[in-house]
Amino acid sequence: GAGVSQSPSNKVTEKGKDVELRCDPISGHTALYWYRQRLGQGLEFLIYFQGNSAPDKSGLPSDRFSAERTGESVSTLTIQRTQQEDSAVYLCASSYQGYEQYFGPGTRLTVT
Amino acid sequence: AQTVTQSQPEMSVQEAETVTLSCTYDTSESDYYLFWYKQPPSRQMILVIRQEAYKQQNATENRFSVNFQKAAKSFSLKISDSQLGDAAMYFCAYNSGGFKTIFGAGTRLFVKA
Repeated sequence: GAGVSQSPSNKVTEKGKDVELRCDPISGHTALYWYRQRLGQGLEFLIYFQGNSAPDKSGLPSDRFSAERTGESVSTLTIQRTQQEDSAVYLCASSYQGYEQYFGPGTRLTVT
Repeated sequence: AQTVTQSQPEMSVQEAETVTLSCTYDTSESDYYLFWYKQPPSRQMILVIRQEAYKQQNATENRFSVNFQKAAKSFSLKISDSQLGDAAMYFCAYNSGGFKTIFGAGTRLFVKA
């Protein structure tokens, strides 16, 4: 079946603008994760959703970051009033049982 | 708190040779899962291999195998017969059976022709 997809693949935005990043998980996967990866760095956990439970937002770096998920499907990560330090690749992953995560190709965000 | 440490920021291997990437972790749990993920320049993260802590036998997947030392909390990845396509960032990861996975900082592997 189809893997995790993310859109857009690349996004260039001006400082101060809002951006929305989209993630389509693998069908049937109950858990969905967002990570941030700065150039040459490891994965920084942002948020995860599991079924109808309240999301774990413990990794969101500021209140400019928010995410939503509709049921067990699409999720959007929104960054308001973007700053240059928000430039990174944003990775989405989904999992069925919460163990192995399957990753999307990421969205490269550049804030100018 | 659980932590995952990859002490080698970069490694290099000659094509067709064998290389071992190190990973240590800290946990008080007795049952958990460990993973190695590969991230090539295309940035798509791919699961390479996984190990359940309750299994004593080391996991293998073709040219990839692990050396799991539970008492030492060590989980190294061995890549045999290295190929140019193995060049990537490799991340070690830990999951205690819940929904949160902890990733190491990564090791960048260079493969020389």
